[in-house]
Amino acid sequence: DQQVKQNSPSLSVQEGRISILNCDYTNSMFDYFLWYKKYPAEGPTFLISISSIKDKNEDGRFTVFLNKSAKHLSLHIVPSQPGDSAVYFCAASAGQTGANNLFFGTGTRLTVIP
Amino acid sequence: DVKVTQSSRYLVKRTGEKVFLECVQDMDHENMFWYRQDPGLGLRLIYFSYDVKMKEKGDIPEGYSVSREKKERFSLILESASTNQTSMYLCASSSPALVGGTDTQYFGPGTRLTVL
Repeated sequence: DQQVKQNSPSLSVQEGRISILNCDYTNSMFDYFLWYKKYPAEGPTFLISISSIKDKNEDGRFTVFLNKSAKHLSLHIVPSQPGDSAVYFCAASAGQTGANNLFFGTGTRLTVIP
Repeated sequence: DVKVTQSSRYLVKRTGEKVFLECVQDMDHENMFWYRQDPGLGLRLIYFSYDVKMKEKGDIPEGYSVSREKKERFSLILESASTNQTSMYLCASSSPALVGGTDTQYFGPGTRLTVL
């Protein structure tokens, strides 16, 4: 059963506009959330994360919002650039000691149109 | 910069062959992971290791085994490859998280395996 869900497999946005990627989770034990970005033929690269004690974390053009009551998080990219075109994976962790297993969503393919 | 390398970018094998996928990391990370990525299914954890000679099953370990004889190297083994193991295989490594955080996993470029 998929504990982390990204219900939109794809999203297209005009360059300069805001991209909003959504992620839902079911496990209330998750306390840390990450976004990864993946280009074709490359491994995923870490983008931004948020702890469950926060509701917002910002890093340049990227902001992640967490709504714990709704078990929902979103990644905002503003302004969107053509180089942002990639597959974005949401991931969650239950904060175990030792190897922290990440549970990944199925990904959303973002296309930024010049 | 963390570097995770995988032995092959593309691999074609026949059904029944034994397949070795190698992963090496250069950051002295304790934890290493093997995932497979399939369309519509995201990344699924096959096995992970939190120390040399230690291994734990992930979500989909059936048909796979692993070996970690040295800290920097984590191997994924398909004892008898089958067509349903055609996939993108991704290796990752990380260090244990600080209190209140979680460790960031660093991924290799992936190996696209085709089993005919």
